[in-house]
Amino acid sequence: AAGVIQSPRHLIKEKRETATLKCYPIPRHDTVYWYQQGPGQDPQFLISFYEKMQSDKGSIPDRFSAQQFSDYHSELNMSSLELGDSALYFCASSLGSGNQPQHFGDGTRLSIL
Amino acid sequence: GDSVTQMEGPVTLSEEAFLTINCTYTATGYPSLFWYVQYPGEGLQLLLKATKADDKGSNKGFEATYRKETTSFHLEKGSVQVSDSAVYFCALSEAGYSTLTFGKGTMLLVSP
Repeated sequence: AAGVIQSPRHLIKEKRETATLKCYPIPRHDTVYWYQQGPGQDPQFLISFYEKMQSDKGSIPDRFSAQQFSDYHSELNMSSLELGDSALYFCASSLGSGNQPQHFGDGTRLSIL
Repeated sequence: GDSVTQMEGPVTLSEEAFLTINCTYTATGYPSLFWYVQYPGEGLQLLLKATKADDKGSNKGFEATYRKETTSFHLEKGSVQVSDSAVYFCALSEAGYSTLTFGKGTMLLVSP
């Protein structure tokens, strides 16, 4: 079965650069979530979209923005990158919102030098 | 706010041993509860879930029962295998919302 696809798998950037992470949800899933997982930490919710509209917002820095496109894929844009942004970024998708199981991608590992 | 507390790891067991990973939660409403597993270098996989009190989620030999009176959702498996070595996350989402709040994760190491 098709899963959530994230790209790239690995990304290396320098401080103050920008990065764009992409997420392709499971076909027919209309809700996308972004999480950030620091080394040895639990995933922290950043932001979510339902039917291309922002549905919830967590601990996403102002330097980050995200959107969901008409084909339901989502992009997380990160600017003025800092060393502390080094983490694993997960995207998850679900069918609808409200307690539907979230299916996670394998993540993008972002390293800031 | 909502929170999930898991037992600290690593939990080290021999193959075929009994596993329990404790999880308790604090929530304002009536949450749904989940266990996710993360194998090295991979994403989170939904292991099991329960949406109301006394529900038992089960999958691949793992079980967890939603206990509202003790606000707990402990993960159990009768006989672990080396391939079960991973990090296990307990999580909740409030009724009507889908954002997941995770515990800190518990690493399980199973030796032959």
